[in-house]
Amino acid sequence: GNSVTQMEGPVTLSEEAFLTINCTYTATGYPSLFWYVQYPGEGLQLLLKATKADDKGSNKGFEATYRKETTSFHLEKGSVQVSDSAVYFCALSRSGNTPLVFGKGTRLSVIA
Amino acid sequence: GAVVSQHPSRVICKSGTSVKIECRSLDFQATTMFWYRQFPKQSLMLMATSNEGSKATYEQGVEKDKFLINHASLTLSTLTVTSAHPEDSSFYICSARDIGVMVTDTQYFGPGTRLTVL
Repeated sequence: GNSVTQMEGPVTLSEEAFLTINCTYTATGYPSLFWYVQYPGEGLQLLLKATKADDKGSNKGFEATYRKETTSFHLEKGSVQVSDSAVYFCALSRSGNTPLVFGKGTRLSVIA
Repeated sequence: GAVVSQHPSRVICKSGTSVKIECRSLDFQATTMFWYRQFPKQSLMLMATSNEGSKATYEQGVEKDKFLINHASLTLSTLTVTSAHPEDSSFYICSARDIGVMVTDTQYFGPGTRLTVL
């Protein structure tokens, strides 16, 4: 079946540090890949997405590249801020009418 | 952008009562909406897929008679937790996909509803 594996947190970084959150997936065919962010007490917000191999999704300084050969979609940011503290979820979708398959989430804490 | 709202955002009720949660797509239409449940510090667990004009599809282990889903229009789905008990306390989140954008499979999430059953 389809599944998503994320690195376990929590991840604690100092402000302006480099961030990588690993995500790998298992799926048949060519899923779309997503990163969602959840701030404390809120729902999920789409951070970025990629729909085919070698696509790079980017938003708010975050980026992730769809790597079919390694079945990965690692999230990176060159310089994190305190406001980036949240839980990040990697997810895949086979089609629009199927539910997303989520990873377990990675909690990021950025300290000043 | 696509906005999904949920109401209420927070509800506290007594054990045995029923609670209705609304999920609305504000600026787009959605034939399919999804209901998730999230326990503290855990990932989202899909409960059911809500289809406009037809019965919802429930995931294994989710009691359909306890979690009633109605998708009466292209912009509204409701989840009713019947005879709620403390173990039903959780964060409930819905999502929807814009049917007007056929090439996208992006789903938009509501802000969630925190249910506390005393």
